[in-house]
Amino acid sequence: ETGVTQSPTHLIKTRGQQVTLRCSSQSGHNTVSWYQQALGQGPQFIFQYYREEENGRGNFPPRFSGLQFPNYSSELNVNALELDDSALYLCASSLVGKDEQYFGPGTRLTVT
Amino acid sequence: RKEVEQDPGPFNVPEGATVAFNCTYSNSASQSFFWYRQDCRKEPKLLMSVYSSGNEDGRFTAQLNRASQYISLLIRDSKLSDSATYLCVVTRGGGFKTIFGAGTRLFVKA
Repeated sequence: ETGVTQSPTHLIKTRGQQVTLRCSSQSGHNTVSWYQQALGQGPQFIFQYYREEENGRGNFPPRFSGLQFPNYSSELNVNALELDDSALYLCASSLVGKDEQYFGPGTRLTVT
Repeated sequence: RKEVEQDPGPFNVPEGATVAFNCTYSNSASQSFFWYRQDCRKEPKLLMSVYSSGNEDGRFTAQLNRASQYISLLIRDSKLSDSATYLCVVTRGGGFKTIFGAGTRLFVKA
C-alpha cells in the first residue's frame, strides 16, 4: 500500500450538483496531483498542488478546482457536474523534485 | 495526435513468453519517463522509471531513446500475475504536467 488515502470510495451525484473529493498524501510527500480516468482510458492530469498553490494544470475547465492544506492533504472540487464527469478520480502524492508518483485507490464518481 | 501513444493490444501470451511494449511521445521537452501497472478497477502502481542508459528490475527491462522519442518495456518469463494494463507516463516542467498513455493490455495464459 502507498499510504495515500481518498474519500469517499464511491459517490453518486446529479447533473448540475457540486462535489468535493478528498485525499491524504503519503507521509512526507508534499505534492499532490489529481487525475480523471474514464473507462478504458489512461488517467488524465487535472492539476498539481505544492505549497498550497496550483503548480501545473491539464486541459480541464475552471469548474475543476482544488485546495491543498498545510498538512499536504488536498481536495478536488467540481462544480456544475456534467454526465461526462463520471469517472474514477485518482489522487497521487510525490516529493517536490521527484516525479515518481504514488496513487490512492480513487473515488468512483457517477453523475446521473 | 495524442502526446503519448501506446499500442492498446491486447497482447495474449503464454506463461514463460517474452513480451515487449512500445510507447512514443511527441513533446521533446519531456523530462521524466515511467512505466506504471494498473490492475482492473485498481489504481496505477509505479513499475519502474526509464532512463537512457536502460533500467532493469528482475524480469523487467525499460529503455528510453530520446532521439526517437520512444520508450520500451520488456517482460521476460511472463507470469500469470503479470496480466494487467501497462501505462507509459511522461512528465514535463514549465508548469508541471504528467501525461499518461491509454495503456497496453496484457493477458498471460497458462
